[in-house]
Amino acid sequence: GESVGLHLPTLSVQEGDNSIINCAYSNSASDYFIWYKQESGKGPQFIIDIRSNMDKRQGQRVTVLLNKTVKHLSLQIAATQPGDSAVYFCAENLDQTGANNLFFGTGTRLTVIP
Amino acid sequence: DTGVSQDPRHKITKRGQNVTFRCDPISEHNRLYWYRQTLGQGPEFLTYFQNEAQLEKSRLLSDRFSAERPKGSFSTLEIQRTEQGDSAMYLCASSLWGRTSTDTQYFGPGTRLTVL
Repeated sequence: GESVGLHLPTLSVQEGDNSIINCAYSNSASDYFIWYKQESGKGPQFIIDIRSNMDKRQGQRVTVLLNKTVKHLSLQIAATQPGDSAVYFCAENLDQTGANNLFFGTGTRLTVIP
Repeated sequence: DTGVSQDPRHKITKRGQNVTFRCDPISEHNRLYWYRQTLGQGPEFLTYFQNEAQLEKSRLLSDRFSAERPKGSFSTLEIQRTEQGDSAMYLCASSLWGRTSTDTQYFGPGTRLTVL
């Protein structure tokens, strides 16, 4: 039968180019956001996080931008490499002091073309 | 390896059987989470512990599911009378929660369950 995975948003980029992966979140009260990378058959791997009191945060080759006005989050990967090929999830956390379950988006599959 | 570990990595069982999964968190992490992930979807929260106390359970966690963390270290997730709909990847994550930490969750490799 048809695989649900075929419905994942996809992004293909040339090796060496920059990648931008977007995410819309639903809850305006969410105060903490995380990007995870998941390779096939593995658990999600933490990439970078950002609190709601920030607009931008940079890591090694990655930058996360947060636009609270439109409830939008993006992950920028500089100089994309073949090893960056994976599914990328954004996750939001409603409350740091209480329930701490993460709400994940459906993910974006990034394919890097050598 | 000091990351989150899960055992077994794969489990195939027949419908109606009971299965139990184990998660060993990162040492000294006081919070431990269980998630379920089906193909093409993001992980869905099931339950979490702070030390040995189970603080929250999702409505996804039917009465056939039970989780324990008896000594505040490793945790087990048991599914009784498995159904084909239980087939999924079961992920465990741990975090260090406190006033100065961001409670970042680090995930294990998961246990893939297939119910025949």
